[in-house]
Amino acid sequence: SAVISQKPSRDICQRGTSLTIQCQVDSQVTMMFWYRQQPGQSLTLIATANQGSEATYESGFVIDKFPISRPNLTFSTLTVSNMSPEDSSIYLCSVGGTDQPQHFGDGTRLSIL
Amino acid sequence: AQTVTQSQPEMSVQEAETVTLSCTYDTSESNYYLFWYKQPPSRQMILVIRQEAYKQQNATENRFSVNFQKAAKSFSLKISDSQLGDTAMYFCAFPSIQGAQKLVFGQGTRLTINP
Repeated sequence: SAVISQKPSRDICQRGTSLTIQCQVDSQVTMMFWYRQQPGQSLTLIATANQGSEATYESGFVIDKFPISRPNLTFSTLTVSNMSPEDSSIYLCSVGGTDQPQHFGDGTRLSIL
Repeated sequence: AQTVTQSQPEMSVQEAETVTLSCTYDTSESNYYLFWYKQPPSRQMILVIRQEAYKQQNATENRFSVNFQKAAKSFSLKISDSQLGDTAMYFCAFPSIQGAQKLVFGQGTRLTINP
């Protein structure tokens, strides 16, 4: 299975600022996924990052708030913009093939003061 | 839309006991995969086991096994000889549409193994 490195592992940020989370995979993958896990909740898909095209966002998530880059087949970034306390969550990236299990990075725990 | 339901928010058992976590789902598809993930306090999502819907045989991985009832759309996880390290959140997951790679997750079950 793919090895996924996610940075930073945690951060504490001031409201109104932005943070970019990086996800690096040790092999080329077609799709990468970004999930949000709010405190005590399950995972919710934010968007699918496609190499060479714009990310596909799920209902309730917009590009202005969560811009995503996918410059190549092994790397993606998620930016959380203009942060508020409601953005305090764990953010996880994952990769997986069609009908194959997804494998996850270790997650980024984000706290907004 | 596909939905996944875990009706047990929390469970607690003694070490070495057997515990079963339930999961039901809703789909109109005939061929799909189902997954159980474990999330310990370290927050990493770890694949525990997966089941292919077209296979009648229930999947098994060491102490972990599933009871897959396709007609009932039920996919429970059985943990035998439970260990302290099994303490974690457990999530049932399912592709949001057939052939898709993105997953929809159940609400999770917090499992505590007591010494």
